[in-house]
Amino acid sequence: DAGVIQSPRHEVTEMGQEVTLRCKPISGHDYLFWYRQTMMRGLELLIYFNNNVPIDDSGMPEDRFSAKMPNASFSTLKIQPSEPRDSAVYFCASSSDLPRINEQFFGPGTRLTVL
Amino acid sequence: EDKVVQSPLSLVVHEGDTVTLNCSYEVTNFRSLLWYKQEKKAPTFLFMLTSSGIEKKSGRLSSILDKKELFSILNITATQTGDSAVYLCAVMTTDSWGRLQFGAGTQVVVTP
Repeated sequence: DAGVIQSPRHEVTEMGQEVTLRCKPISGHDYLFWYRQTMMRGLELLIYFNNNVPIDDSGMPEDRFSAKMPNASFSTLKIQPSEPRDSAVYFCASSSDLPRINEQFFGPGTRLTVL
Repeated sequence: EDKVVQSPLSLVVHEGDTVTLNCSYEVTNFRSLLWYKQEKKAPTFLFMLTSSGIEKKSGRLSSILDKKELFSILNITATQTGDSAVYLCAVMTTDSWGRLQFGAGTQVVVTP
């Protein structure tokens, strides 16, 4: 079975540019999560969806960040405009509904570098 | 403010040694505690603990939760170089279904 798929795996961009990260969750999973990992702040939840609906976006740092899930098999995280402090590894994860809601399966991550 | 604190931050051991990692938490409305292993890529799930005193075991790894003292330990026996990784602890509360709050992690290096 394919796991969580993320693209691109690496992204290098210049400050001010728009960045779009993509995620395909595991088929049949109802929950999708976006995380950011940095050395300074560790692994932080940005937003999560249940059945394509955003449930908790309290971790989204500011208005420059937005996330969508137009259907059960695709989600995007967009940063516009990007800043150097956005440089991090962004993970997408998915999980199924009860009883395994807590077991989140992570994608390989997108390493973002903003120059 | 909710807190998840892991200790030690890092350690180096020799192959064959036993390692004990700690995770303490201060959260309201605790639901479950999870352990993940992160090598050079994405975290992979190890254990989920919900009840006190019940040991979860998988091969050489085991974990237990103490809800009275608010901590969990992860043990790795007979360590191998493949156990080298960052071990992350995360806590979920009943307030926000699905939201995991992660600790900073413990970096384990196993030398031959």
